[in-house]
Amino acid sequence: AQSVAQPEDQVNVAEGNPLTVKCTYSVSGNPYLFWYVQYPNRGLQFLLKYITGDNLVKGSYGFEAEFNKSQTSFHLKKPSALVSDSALYFCAVREATGANNLFFGTGTRLTVIP
Amino acid sequence: DAMVIQNPRYQVTQFGKPVTLSCSQTLNHNVMYWYQQKSSQAPKLLFHYYDKDFNNEADTPDNFQSRRPNTSFCFLDIRSPGLGDAAMYLCATSRRGGSTSDTQYFGPGTRLTVL
Repeated sequence: AQSVAQPEDQVNVAEGNPLTVKCTYSVSGNPYLFWYVQYPNRGLQFLLKYITGDNLVKGSYGFEAEFNKSQTSFHLKKPSALVSDSALYFCAVREATGANNLFFGTGTRLTVIP
Repeated sequence: DAMVIQNPRYQVTQFGKPVTLSCSQTLNHNVMYWYQQKSSQAPKLLFHYYDKDFNNEADTPDNFQSRRPNTSFCFLDIRSPGLGDAAMYLCATSRRGGSTSDTQYFGPGTRLTVL
């Protein structure tokens, strides 16, 4: 069975500081991992994904995420937060074998304080 | 720009009155998905179409139906909306489904209010 955990419902960070949004996952085999961002009353926007290869994945708007197989984590990071980064962030996982759906975490609300 | 379009963005219906939500895509993707998202929760997959093949999630209520008349369009029909069906409904597409690494691309969503 697949599952995703986002242990923090809310993350606050000062503008200009680095930000981290945490995600851990559980799958039987190899994972495909995704990060999406959702602004109020909008759909989900794709940020980045890990398929295979380099553990550090770079995505849109300066975001990056690091795949750590031993810790089963895929934390989202940005070196310098902007106020406009304030939104709801979702981590999602799909198992690489079998006809499996995309499973989402419960989301982390990021607030960047000016 | 290629995109996923949902209409209307906001829909108000009355308890028990059938309602249809619309999704269209210009990405020419094979798979179209419908998700229900309540109040800052994770999106919950209702069903998806792989081409013309309909795949219903086991816990999707019978009250929810879907139609995909062609590659570009997919509809979500709620036959008798209840107050608990008030939510954001998200349409998504991907080139392939199943165990692929393909990204799902989401529309802006339709917020459904049930009075």
